[in-house]
Amino acid sequence: RKEVEQDPGPFNVPEGATVAFNCTYSNSASQSFFWYRQDCRKEPKLLMSVYSSGNEDGRFTAQLNRASQYISLLIRDSKLSDSATYLCVVTPPSGTYKYIFGTGTRLKVLA
Amino acid sequence: DTGVSQNPRHKITKRGQNVTFRCDPISEHNRLYWYRQTLGQGPEFLTYFQNEAQLEKSRLLSDRFSAERPKGSFSTLEIQRTEQGDSAMYLCASSSNNQPQHFGDGTRLSIL
Repeated sequence: RKEVEQDPGPFNVPEGATVAFNCTYSNSASQSFFWYRQDCRKEPKLLMSVYSSGNEDGRFTAQLNRASQYISLLIRDSKLSDSATYLCVVTPPSGTYKYIFGTGTRLKVLA
Repeated sequence: DTGVSQNPRHKITKRGQNVTFRCDPISEHNRLYWYRQTLGQGPEFLTYFQNEAQLEKSRLLSDRFSAERPKGSFSTLEIQRTEQGDSAMYLCASSSNNQPQHFGDGTRLSIL
């Protein structure tokens, strides 16, 4: 079983739609959680950190469910510019600072 | 805003040659990481430094790979006797203590 699993998609949605991605992780003692965005042939860029209480940044909402070991990302009112791959990131239990990435979920927002 | 800088952007080389990549992190960041990404996959961790100390290496980092960060600033990643399977994007990231990592735009390696 992979340490971090994501549905690779692609998710094709119309402009203005709401879309949600989930990501599951295998190590219950994982420390920190993030969503990164990666455009084609570019570097990953931090979208948002994910906290147990849930957090929102404009049209983006991230949630963490430690009991079920998944994190989610909700995008409201999708824009064409949201088209990208969304990478779920988990850090192992304390003592190491490396990132463990999912394969990424591809989103294409259609006009 | 000076981000993480990687050189070269692209490297094409013949199988069996040695290659070296350079990463300049964000200046105040004490941690530096190397990852490798192949098409359709997320980045995979290779190694990381805290200042000049290499604190962790992945099993992916075979004997042909070596990384250094001699003065705790820039880092180099060398691959000796390159193989077809080494073709990938090599990403460098840096961070300050427990803050999120910032990535450079990578070095794309193609082995002929």
